[in-house]
Amino acid sequence: DAGVIQSPRHEVTEMGQEVTLRCKPISGHNSLFWYRQTMMRGLELLIYFNNNVPIDDSGMPEDRFSAKMPNASFSTLKIQPSEPRDSAVYFCASTRLAGVGNEQFFGPGTRLTVL
Amino acid sequence: AQSVTQLGSHVSVSEGALVLLRCNYSSSVPPYLFWYVQYPNQGLQLLLKYTSAATLVKGINGFEAEFKKSETSFHLTKPSAHMSDAAEYFCAVISRGNNDMRFGAGTRLTVKP
Repeated sequence: DAGVIQSPRHEVTEMGQEVTLRCKPISGHNSLFWYRQTMMRGLELLIYFNNNVPIDDSGMPEDRFSAKMPNASFSTLKIQPSEPRDSAVYFCASTRLAGVGNEQFFGPGTRLTVL
Repeated sequence: AQSVTQLGSHVSVSEGALVLLRCNYSSSVPPYLFWYVQYPNQGLQLLLKYTSAATLVKGINGFEAEFKKSETSFHLTKPSAHMSDAAEYFCAVISRGNNDMRFGAGTRLTVKP
């Protein structure tokens, strides 16, 4: 299994630009999570989907952030317009809904730098 | 909502010494508990998990954790630290009935030669 795939691995952009982060969950997983990690705030849950449906987006910091999951094998996290304080590592994780106590499998992350 | 508290943002041990990383959960109903490790510039990797089977859970790389309901704790231990154990460790919890995982603030482990 290829694991959770995220692209790009690194993104450097200028303030005001649109940024799109991409995630492909593990095949067969039907729950997908987006996290943000910074030194100041640690690991924060931004939003998660079950069966492609957003369940909880209360962690999305502002309207500048949006996430979509058009199908079971692809999700995007978009920031428009980007700001320097959005600089962080963004992780995508996936898991199965069936069963109990299923762990999440994390991707390698996208390191975003907004200048 | 469930939460976990990790005591100590930074733990330093000598190589070969015991590793003890502390985690306490807040719940009246035993949740599902996890320990993850994050090496520099990598994603989180599962070390072990507790799902109400055995209270002593063994994981990868020689780590283990014991679920203690009376103390609402799930501390992570390793008898002998190795230099390669230097990383950040996260305790996490899932409430029964949903799949929303909540992470602790993390503990950075340093191993001195």
